[in-house]
Amino acid sequence: NAGVTQTPKFRVLKTGQSMTLLCAQDMNHEYMYWYRQDPGMGLRLIHYSVGEGTTAKGEVPDGYNVSRLKKQNFLLGLESAAPSQTSVYFCASRGPPQGPSYGYTFGSGTRLTVV
Amino acid sequence: QQQVKQSPQSLIVQKGGISIINCAYENTAFDYFPWYQQFPGKGPALLIAIRPDVSEKKEGRFTISFNKSAKQFSLHIMDSQPGDSATYFCAASKNDYKLSFGAGTTVTVRA
Repeated sequence: NAGVTQTPKFRVLKTGQSMTLLCAQDMNHEYMYWYRQDPGMGLRLIHYSVGEGTTAKGEVPDGYNVSRLKKQNFLLGLESAAPSQTSVYFCASRGPPQGPSYGYTFGSGTRLTVV
Repeated sequence: QQQVKQSPQSLIVQKGGISIINCAYENTAFDYFPWYQQFPGKGPALLIAIRPDVSEKKEGRFTISFNKSAKQFSLHIMDSQPGDSATYFCAASKNDYKLSFGAGTTVTVRA
């Protein structure tokens, strides 16, 4: 099935540990995004990429790093996890316009708990 | 601060009723206004979208109303069904490549 795949789906980290979240898309989309979702705050953009080898900061980039070495993959790294990074993380990719709409496709999310 | 303000936080509607969710924005450069629907445990999915050159767009039971001068837009769900129970997010972007989302509205449709 074409779409956006996120791994892992769940993870519990201890404060100070590091981890990498992987996002893979098989739709040949240029644009990819990492969002975090917190209750009452909607989705907030962490980092995004407009093509292979490019990355840019979003609204809430502190404490995260990203890499887009291959067009189909977008990695989100936490170097030293903090409890404030407990959240649900969503990856998305954006395809070409379909009429007035843009085809943002979201993955099913990674639920991260930092204790 | 959030660039798109969404209300209400939650609403309950009877089956067959109308659900209305409102959003307001400040950035007049925004030129794309989508609505996303999210079910528990899933990622958001595009429901319907509008550009500021039209004041209304309808797709099935879902309608976006857009008021450019007031910088507001809303989602109307007509003949609400239990399967519409979900969280709805409005969003906006400039130049179509970075979406700013509202805080979300949880809609519960009672049978």
